[in-house]
Amino acid sequence: EPEVTQTPSHQVTQMGQEVILRCVPISNHLYFYWYRQILGQKVEFLVSFYNNEISEKSEIFDDQFSVERPDGSNFTLKIRSTKLEDSAMYFCASSSGTASTGELFFGEGSRLTVL
Amino acid sequence: SQKIEQNSEALNIQEGKTATLTCNYTNYSPAYLQWYRQDPGRGPVFLLLIRENEKEKRKERLKVTFDTTLKQSLFHITASQPADSATYLCAPLRNTGFQKLVFGTGTRLLVSP
Repeated sequence: EPEVTQTPSHQVTQMGQEVILRCVPISNHLYFYWYRQILGQKVEFLVSFYNNEISEKSEIFDDQFSVERPDGSNFTLKIRSTKLEDSAMYFCASSSGTASTGELFFGEGSRLTVL
Repeated sequence: SQKIEQNSEALNIQEGKTATLTCNYTNYSPAYLQWYRQDPGRGPVFLLLIRENEKEKRKERLKVTFDTTLKQSLFHITASQPADSATYLCAPLRNTGFQKLVFGTGTRLLVSP
């Protein structure tokens, strides 16, 4: 069964370092998303991406964050200068249709620990 | 501002009983509502989508209702099993094309044998 894959599963970094989290969405999907979940808290929307541009983003997704689809298969989330409060599980998701009409398929997540 | 409320306290029930979880929303009028299941340390998994013109939707032991007057959705699991123990998330959505799926806080369900 097709699935969304994410790498790395766990990354530890020093505050101020740049981090890139990678995702391979399901191959025929057109809509891509990043979410984060701080330990013990809710799953929070960060950004959605369609047709090579951001379609929606939350207040959390500030200038420190960027997303890219560098080739036909990968979808990346970059955090330019990590802060302690960026420590969280980051989930990538994809869907074939818009979020309002179909399900989102989530990856298993990348756990980011900022020291 | 828009708000999605789910019971923050865990719901503990006995195996075989029906679990009922509540999702209330305020300050917007969604046209759709999705429910997801999340196991600890895992990504959410889609369960059901219900449209505003559908009062009820069923899938196996799951049933979802959507009351746009009360601004509420109820999620039922009948004949619950310990394997149903998880956190359940609701996500009300506005019109077609809207790309921002925002989850409620989730309700943790614990089914004991």
